[in-house]
Amino acid sequence: AQSVSQHNHHVILSEAASLELGCNYSYGGTVNLFWYVQYPGQHLQLLLKYFSGDPLVKGIKGFEAEFIKSKFSFNLRKPSVQWSDTAEYFCAVRNQGGKLIFGQGTELSVKP
Amino acid sequence: DAGVIQSPRHEVTEMGQEVTLRCKPISGHNSLFWYRQTMMRGLELLIYFNNNVPIDDSGMPEDRFSAKMPNASFSTLKIQPSEPRDSAVYFCASNTGTDKGEQYFGPGTRLTVT
Repeated sequence: AQSVSQHNHHVILSEAASLELGCNYSYGGTVNLFWYVQYPGQHLQLLLKYFSGDPLVKGIKGFEAEFIKSKFSFNLRKPSVQWSDTAEYFCAVRNQGGKLIFGQGTELSVKP
Repeated sequence: DAGVIQSPRHEVTEMGQEVTLRCKPISGHNSLFWYRQTMMRGLELLIYFNNNVPIDDSGMPEDRFSAKMPNASFSTLKIQPSEPRDSAVYFCASNTGTDKGEQYFGPGTRLTVT
């Protein structure tokens, strides 16, 4: 069955630290990949997406992600986090059937 | 655009009661998705519609759950009878089907069944 795995359940960082959140998926076909963010008490919002082309994708708020096909990975990165980045982050893959499959989410807490 | 609209935002009900959650997708979007989010299970796709037709309802937990989309601008998710384990946040999302999967989420309905 198709699945998305996020390795970190809860990450705690200090402001200005660098961030990398892992995401691996299990699906051998053509995939579209996404990172969504959910700020406390809010709905999911798209951070960035990969469809094709340059495997390094830039998103909003200084986030980026790199698609490594050989590793089935799509890790999210940010060089310097801010307190306002405290949120839950979800990796998702859309298969050719049209379904979005989400990972379990990673809760990020940034200490001021 | 107002985005995806969901109502109510919060619902508290007693076990055994019927609960109806409502969703209005973004105008022009022809695909609609219902998700459930819990601490234990994360974000789960319950059902999705394309052009008002249910395409995949394999995520619907049991017969107590039903969803309809009578027209392009309205969908309901009904739980009858409700149980405490149904307590969760229910999100609705929509997209055009041509934008390669990016979904736009509503604010969610927080359901508490006591």
